[in-house]
Amino acid sequence: KNEVEQSPQNLTAQEGEFITINCSYSVGISALHWLQQHPGGGIVSLFMLSSGKKKHGRLIATINIQEKHSSLHITASHPRDSAVYICAVRYNTDKLIFGTGTRLQVFP
Amino acid sequence: EAGVAQSPRYKIIEKRQSVAFWCNPISGHATLYWYQQILGQGPKLLIQFQNNGVVDDSQLPKDRFSAERLKGVDSTLKIQPAKLEDSAVYLCASSLIRVKSPLHFGNGTRLTVT
Repeated sequence: KNEVEQSPQNLTAQEGEFITINCSYSVGISALHWLQQHPGGGIVSLFMLSSGKKKHGRLIATINIQEKHSSLHITASHPRDSAVYICAVRYNTDKLIFGTGTRLQVFP
Repeated sequence: EAGVAQSPRYKIIEKRQSVAFWCNPISGHATLYWYQQILGQGPKLLIQFQNNGVVDDSQLPKDRFSAERLKGVDSTLKIQPAKLEDSAVYLCASSLIRVKSPLHFGNGTRLTVT
């Protein structure tokens, strides 16, 4: 079992739909990162969370420390949002573990 | 601010050959990670440095992979000899030493072993 579980693995949506990607982890962490990876591209950091909620444009990330769960929401999705979204957790040792990613495709 | 630089961008080698990748992290970033990302999978940590010391190399296949960060700045990752299953993207990331600091990734090196 992976230390960091993401769901769904694959997601397709129509433009304009509200999208949710989930991430669960098994032990206490110091921070959780949401990352975006476009095909053939590098990884871009979207959010870093240790509690609560953060918003950037159409993206919202939340974390529940007690439940060891985080969600990434995309409002009014657009084809350019098509990418792999990766959840990564960071421990107090600075060790960083990645989830397997969620492949999102948004169709016009 | 210059980002994390990696080179080469692409590399094709035959099995049993050797290859080396280079990473220059953002200036001042003490923590440096090397990850292996096989197509369709999430990145897997190979080695983590803090300055020039190794913090975690538990998943580094030490019979063929080696990495160093001699002056606590640039790092090199070497594979010798390469196997077909080493075909992957090798990602370098860096951050400040604080665990709640943002991560910065390089564009990766795509390795194809034939």
